[in-house]
Amino acid sequence: GAGVSQSPRYKVAKRGQDVALRCDPISGHVSLFWYQQALGQGPEFLTYFQNEAQLDKSGLPSDRFFAERPEGSVSTLKIQRTQQEDSAVYLCASSLAWSGGRADTQYFGPGTRLTVL
Amino acid sequence: DQQVKQNSPSLSVQEGRISILNCDYTNSMFDYFLWYKKYPAEGPTFLISISSIKDKNEDGRFTVFLNKSAKHLSLHIVPSQPGDSAVYFCAASVLISSGSARQLTFGSGTQLTVLP
Repeated sequence: GAGVSQSPRYKVAKRGQDVALRCDPISGHVSLFWYQQALGQGPEFLTYFQNEAQLDKSGLPSDRFFAERPEGSVSTLKIQRTQQEDSAVYLCASSLAWSGGRADTQYFGPGTRLTVL
Repeated sequence: DQQVKQNSPSLSVQEGRISILNCDYTNSMFDYFLWYKKYPAEGPTFLISISSIKDKNEDGRFTVFLNKSAKHLSLHIVPSQPGDSAVYFCAASVLISSGSARQLTFGSGTQLTVLP
């Protein structure tokens, strides 16, 4: 079946430009996560949605970062007035739901590589 | 301050031998641990996990060991195969405050190369 997809796969932006990154989770997955992965580092948590509700945005680095999931499926991560330090791979992950005390596996998309010049 | 550390950026082993990847954590609130594998230009793929109430979990060629007192976990791959060559990320999880999902904290990864 189809996995998590992300678009675009690569994005080059000039400093100050706004960008929008899209994530299509696995159909039926309730939970959706965004991560930022800097070069040579592991992914870092940005934000989490349960259906359309954004339940945790503690990892968003600044108020220039905004995420939404209006209909509980597709999600968009928007970065306003991009800066060079925003250059990273942005990963989206989805999982079925919290179930019976067992941690639910997060399935990752291929990521969007953002380069800010 | 890194809460999950993988101190070896790279590891090379001969095909057929054992690969041992190590991970240390500092936050005692973590209660579930995972290993992910990542190939270039792909997202991380779940490999194996372990709950903090266990000290070992095995799945085929992959075994994860957890030493809670030392706050240390390791992934053993035996026998190693060339197709295992990838970046391996250790992740530790804690319940998100809403109680509805888990937040993952990743280490910086170890590049494993299995030589034929």
